[in-house]
Amino acid sequence: GESVGLHLPTLSVQEGDNSIINCAYSNSASDYFIWYKQESGKGPQFIIDIRSNMDKRQGQRVTVLLNKTVKHLSLQIAATQPGDSAVYFCAENIDGTSGTYKYIFGTGTRLKVLA
Amino acid sequence: AAGVIQSPRHLIKEKRETATLKCYPIPRHDTVYWYQQGPGQDPQFLISFYEKMQSDKGSIPDRFSAQQFSDYHSELNMSSLELGDSALYFCASSQGQFNSPLHFGNGTRLTVT
Repeated sequence: GESVGLHLPTLSVQEGDNSIINCAYSNSASDYFIWYKQESGKGPQFIIDIRSNMDKRQGQRVTVLLNKTVKHLSLQIAATQPGDSAVYFCAENIDGTSGTYKYIFGTGTRLKVLA
Repeated sequence: AAGVIQSPRHLIKEKRETATLKCYPIPRHDTVYWYQQGPGQDPQFLISFYEKMQSDKGSIPDRFSAQQFSDYHSELNMSSLELGDSALYFCASSQGQFNSPLHFGNGTRLTVT
């Protein structure tokens, strides 16, 4: 079936430490993935994306790792800051119907940054 | 930079009433998606449009309908509202459907009483 799920619903991290948020996906045919950050009362905000022909992509303080063998995605945040506190979702771009595509979101992980 | 605009921000309706949510995508984006998000839940895909045609359907109730207009804005129409329809409704837009990130609006919070 189509599902994207996360291993840890809540992650507490000390300010300045690195955070790792994990995501497992089930559709082996998916070839594009996105991480989103959602703050309270706001819409999901794009963080970083990765295509299936890559296994790592880096942005500013964030790195996404893709392991297609075990269908696992992770988001690493370096030097976590209080402003990183939010819910993080991974999303998977999968075949919809009639050659279209849609994004399926996994269960979010709440990241709490401790001062 | 222009973002996705949704209106209204908040909406309170009674059971069995009708609601219309509007979405204005980022300029030059041709694809619009609607998602429903309950408290503490992930966004659930409802429906999408590409170039003014319905592209895909998710878990959208038959009581809901949507369309994308010639100026690419979209409206989600919800009839015979139920208490369980209370949620955040997000619209997102993208340029194309494939391997193109979604950009979300800040949502419409619908409360059905």
